[in-house]
Amino acid sequence: GAVVSQHPSWVICKSGTSVKIECRSLDFQATTMFWYRQFPKQSLMLMATSNEGSKATYEQGVEKDKFLINHASLTLSTLTVTSAHPEDSSFYICSANPTAPNRGRRFNEQFFGPGTRLTVL
Amino acid sequence: DAKTTQPPSMDCAEGRAANLPCNHSTISGNEYVYWYRQIHSQGPQYIIHGLKNNETNEMASLIITEDRKSSTLILPHATLRDTAVYYCIVRPSGYGGATNKLIFGTGTLLAVQP
Repeated sequence: GAVVSQHPSWVICKSGTSVKIECRSLDFQATTMFWYRQFPKQSLMLMATSNEGSKATYEQGVEKDKFLINHASLTLSTLTVTSAHPEDSSFYICSANPTAPNRGRRFNEQFFGPGTRLTVL
Repeated sequence: DAKTTQPPSMDCAEGRAANLPCNHSTISGNEYVYWYRQIHSQGPQYIIHGLKNNETNEMASLIITEDRKSSTLILPHATLRDTAVYYCIVRPSGYGGATNKLIFGTGTLLAVQP
């Protein structure tokens, strides 16, 4: 099946530093990728839609200047948490849709990465 | 906001069928019902989706009521590895862009007991 990877799988950083998380579609192209955040014992919350070659679309209440998204190619989107603070500690998950259905993939299926655990001290 | 309602938790004996209900009474005519599951500390995994007909694949079966206001995901022979949070999501048809975004509700924690 299609694979989406994230790097790093976990990261610990000091308060005030910036952290970049990468999301890659390994065997398909994705014009659109999505970033989610999940706090312990809670559901996934959609943060933003990442669009290749254009600005990301942020959900209401998500600070675009704090969570910088770059989608520079059809296989890579990055999320940078700027000036991270302990309350930003969370599980960050990306997902991607194939640009076009091919190789027998299901229509509209969305593939998720394994997630990145961010801990801000 | 999520458009679905699911029980917060369910138990199932190993080897038995697990039937997970979902209410989506406000579903629109062009919206599909999707099911994903999330095993602890992993990304969600696609299970199955449908519009109005019942669907079956290697993982599960999806039964959608005739009025489409509710559905049931059936895992025919649950194993311990099926312990996860199961999410029922409705999403418009269409392909590309923000149409594909998924809004997750609280899901059902299925605990398969040995």
